[in-house]
Amino acid sequence: NAGVTQTPKFQVLKTGQSMTLQCAQDMNHEYMSWYRQDPGMGLRLIHYSVGAGITDQGEVPNGYNVSRSTTEDFPLRLLSAAPSQTSVYFCASSYFQGNTIYFGEGSWLTVV
Amino acid sequence: DAKTTQPPSMDCAEGRAANLPCNHSTISGNEYVYWYRQIHSQGPQYIIHGLKNNETNEMASLIITEDRKSSTLILPHATLRDTAVYYCIVRVASNQGGKLIFGQGTELSVKP
Repeated sequence: NAGVTQTPKFQVLKTGQSMTLQCAQDMNHEYMSWYRQDPGMGLRLIHYSVGAGITDQGEVPNGYNVSRSTTEDFPLRLLSAAPSQTSVYFCASSYFQGNTIYFGEGSWLTVV
Repeated sequence: DAKTTQPPSMDCAEGRAANLPCNHSTISGNEYVYWYRQIHSQGPQYIIHGLKNNETNEMASLIITEDRKSSTLILPHATLRDTAVYYCIVRVASNQGGKLIFGQGTELSVKP
């Protein structure tokens, strides 16, 4: 049981480049979500999914796309990276009515 | 979800109890109080949650006032490894999965 796995852990992008942050969980959780955390701030919800084929926007969705083709995976895509997207990104998962939300270890993204 | 207010920082001596307060004066009857912590920018870790009764687990105790407008997280014997940012979050438990609204939390420093 690996929990929530995020890749890559560190990434540097140039402005305008695209990339995908990967997130996988092996706990058969229905709910998956992406958060970003800027320095000195709490986490903010970007997108979430309540099951395969179903996604919705969180607090700060602009500049990000998601899809959920399987229960296990929930990738986050940056189509045209901007310096404002420099942040630490966390993926999380839980059972739909679960009380415990499991977080990945984070992906550090720098856009120059 | 109701908003929470926490002190930005607190100190605690190693081996003593750490008492972290949280105000949530606009909490609704069906909203739970959750506590998470984040150590060194790792993914947040679930600690405990409660509705109106006091709760205790292997990590901590949660004391909720009778009017539910505030609560206190208690770490009974703080260690250096408890140094972290602690987040108090109020949300409806059912059908919202991982939609957590994070504030800025309390930075707890446990000192030798």
